[in-house]
Amino acid sequence: QVQLVESGGGVVQPGRSLRLSCVASGFSFSTYTMHWVRQAPGKGLEWVAVISHDGSNKADADSVKGRFITSRDNSKNTLYLQMNSLRDEDTALYYCARDLIGVTGAPHWGQGTLVTVSS
Amino acid sequence: QTVVTQEPSFSVSPGGTVTLTCGLSSGSVSTSHYPSWYQQTPGQAPRTLIYTTKTRPSGVPDRFSGSILGNKAALTITGAQADDECHYYCVLYVGSGIWVFGGGTKLTVL
Repeated sequence: QVQLVESGGGVVQPGRSLRLSCVASGFSFSTYTMHWVRQAPGKGLEWVAVISHDGSNKADADSVKGRFITSRDNSKNTLYLQMNSLRDEDTALYYCARDLIGVTGAPHWGQGTLVTVSS
Repeated sequence: QTVVTQEPSFSVSPGGTVTLTCGLSSGSVSTSHYPSWYQQTPGQAPRTLIYTTKTRPSGVPDRFSGSILGNKAALTITGAQADDECHYYCVLYVGSGIWVFGGGTKLTVL
């Protein structure tokens, strides 16, 4: 079955960096667009970034533009989110999600990894 | 900046029907925005209810349906049940690779 497992979260000081990973299984990862979505404690969902199936196209939200970098390694079925210059407001549960359009199969979500930015 | 609007809260009686909507701060929602809907209970990851306007994943009951109603995307729940009480989120593709979530609707079944 489709599975997305995020990792790499933790407590980090403002201004520091952190890299999240999302390992995919149960589907052909290299053919799917992938997204990062976050949810601050007690708040709604916020779309963060997207990367095309081959990594050639990316887009990200204004709130993270210039600080976060999305990448993928299709040989490892893994999606990454490099988060730099972290701010307090980046504190959230970070989810990876498969293809929000659902071109070939319904969007699927991982369980998330928690990032806490605090001094 | 594009804002996606949802009702902050809604109530429905058990067995009743409710329609939640998803709009754009400027313009109408169409199928080109690929509206999708997610259900989230506390402490859980979002669950996909509807994608590409009206497609329901396997395992989602047919009492959940999606459509375009007027200038908004809509999620209709018929025969509401107690465990439908949770948050519902929509997301729209707004172009140039960018997606925007609505603020979510907290549904109460009482």
